[in-house]
Amino acid sequence: DTAVSQTPKYLVTQMGNDKSIKCEQNLGHDTMYWYKQDSKKFLKIMFSYNNKELIINETVPNRFSPKSPDKAHLNLHINSLELGDSAVYFCASSQAGGIGTEAFFGQGTRLTVV
Amino acid sequence: AQSVTQLDSQVPVFEEAPVELRCNYSSSVSVYLFWYVQYPNQGLQLLLKYLSGSTLVKGINGFEAEFNKSQTSFHLRKPSVHISDTAEYFCAVTFGSSNTGKLIFGQGTTLQVKP
Repeated sequence: DTAVSQTPKYLVTQMGNDKSIKCEQNLGHDTMYWYKQDSKKFLKIMFSYNNKELIINETVPNRFSPKSPDKAHLNLHINSLELGDSAVYFCASSQAGGIGTEAFFGQGTRLTVV
Repeated sequence: AQSVTQLDSQVPVFEEAPVELRCNYSSSVSVYLFWYVQYPNQGLQLLLKYLSGSTLVKGINGFEAEFNKSQTSFHLRKPSVHISDTAEYFCAVTFGSSNTGKLIFGQGTTLQVKP
């Protein structure tokens, strides 16, 4: 059983399209995250939700909108895709509170915008 | 500003040789430190973490790391590497002032183990 699962694993789409990435965790964690890994493999947090409430929103364009229907799911919707959005997007989860706790990562979604 | 620096972007090493991957951080508050490994086309897996207590921590796959507060470092070591250790390694921190679990990552170090 996969602890943190993302779909799809690969996503190729044209500029201007709207796409969604889904994430689910079965670890019972209260906190979920989206991280972006760029072409140089640098990882940076985008969003974090704690029990369906947005707690971190780094300087991400408004075209990116996370949605958490329940604490086990955190989806990422991207409007009007641009070439620069091409990256690997990782979902992660951790226990509530977050201080010093381990984050568990999904396998990543490789988004390619053409 | 709070930051994490991995001093080597690539580390080539022969199989069965020892290796050290360097990580330094900058912070005015307490930190919690992590090393993650990313195998090709996979997600990140936790190798080890330092929260408090003994400054030498042991992790999976024979890796260990030592927290040095005075040098603000958390270097990762393994006495004898295997071909299967070839991967990308990330040092990361969360800061004591934050309860969000937000991880700040270093730039990553590519470990290339040669036969």
